[in-house]
Amino acid sequence: AQSVAQREDQVNVAEGNPLTVKCTYSVSGNPYLFWYVQYPNRGLQFLLKYITGDNLVKGSYGFEAEFNKSQTSFHLKKPSALVSDSALYFCAVKGKGSQGNLIFGKGTKLSVKP
Amino acid sequence: DSGVTQTPKHLITATGQRVTLRCSPRSGDLSVYWYQQSLDQGLQFLIQYYNGEERAKGNILERFSAQQFPDLHSELNLSSLELGDSALYFCASSHYAGGDTGELFFGEGSRLTVL
Repeated sequence: AQSVAQREDQVNVAEGNPLTVKCTYSVSGNPYLFWYVQYPNRGLQFLLKYITGDNLVKGSYGFEAEFNKSQTSFHLKKPSALVSDSALYFCAVKGKGSQGNLIFGKGTKLSVKP
Repeated sequence: DSGVTQTPKHLITATGQRVTLRCSPRSGDLSVYWYQQSLDQGLQFLIQYYNGEERAKGNILERFSAQQFPDLHSELNLSSLELGDSALYFCASSHYAGGDTGELFFGEGSRLTVL
């Protein structure tokens, strides 16, 4: 079965420092991987996706993610964190076969301190 | 603004009651997905509809049902409510059924509180 794991419940970063939010995946077939962000009392917003091609994917708000097949990872990164990046981040993988649904990790709370 | 509209935003009801949550997908999107977000279970996929037909089923309880109407809006019906059903219910939409590689677009959610 398709699944993703976010083993860190929370990540704390100082403003201006680089940030990494980790995600590992387990899939059969080619992985279609996504990152979403959720601000308090809001819906999920799409950040970026990996389908095929370049292992470094660039997305919204200066975020990027690195796909690593050998380590089955898809870590979210940003060179310089902002306080406004503080939110809940979800990694997701597309369901198997013709299903369009996404299967989400438990989420990682990112806290960026000034 | 994702273009996905959910109503109501907040709902408080009692155990044993029945509620209906409504979702209007983005213009042109044919697929609608329902998710439940709770503190202990995280974000759980419930069910997907594509152009009026059920397409995929996830962890949806038998007390819950959904449908997608000809105008493509969808409703999620929750009955015999229990305290544990208190959660944030999200609707998402996409253009295709699943053969594409596109992302889902989420509404702001309906927060259900069962007392």
